[in-house]
Amino acid sequence: GQNIDQPTEMTATEGAIVQINCTYQTSGFNGLFWYQQHAGEAPTFLSYNVLDGLEEKGRFSSFLSRSKGYSYLLLKELQMKDSASYLCAAYPSGGSYIPTFGRGTSLIVHP
Amino acid sequence: GAGVSQSPSNKVTEKGKDVELRCDPISGHTALYWYRQSLGQGLEFLIYFQGNSAPDKSGLPSDRFSAERTGGSVSTLTIQRTQQEDSAVYLCASNVRGNTEAFFGQGTRLTVV
Repeated sequence: GQNIDQPTEMTATEGAIVQINCTYQTSGFNGLFWYQQHAGEAPTFLSYNVLDGLEEKGRFSSFLSRSKGYSYLLLKELQMKDSASYLCAAYPSGGSYIPTFGRGTSLIVHP
Repeated sequence: GAGVSQSPSNKVTEKGKDVELRCDPISGHTALYWYRQSLGQGLEFLIYFQGNSAPDKSGLPSDRFSAERTGGSVSTLTIQRTQQEDSAVYLCASNVRGNTEAFFGQGTRLTVV
């Protein structure tokens, strides 16, 4: 089975940097996704990490350490529109393509 | 279509009634997932379809829940004898194949009264 942990809520100030952590415990692992979900909307894809290291994509970056079962999403130059829930999802190995999602981290950006 | 389409967007039903939720995945996507999201909760996996393989039903919470996917495209999630605890947003997602980015529909908000 898989277990995903991430903080329930975080707050930050517009223009600042915030790091959202995600730890996972899996019987097998084949990649980690981050999704953004605004209230009342569908989750949308942000990033995918398979190998250790940092993947940078504009203001958003995602990091993975497979040995530590740890990932983080880094958001720079925060904007009000970044207020949303951020979902971490781990894909298992072994031929099962069903990702397990964390409960999501609700990020509130203040002016 | 351009994206994953779900219908209806909202459904209010009386306890004990059956409901059908529809999902139209992105054309060419062989994998289709159903998830359930309760207020403030994460995504709870329900069922997974991959091509012509037998679906993975391991997430269905009870035998009142069933789903089918006709012709490898449109999927219908059926909930029989609905209960108040079934109230949630039901999300459908599709992707090209496993371990790739999943595209989500807008969801169906089900309210059982």
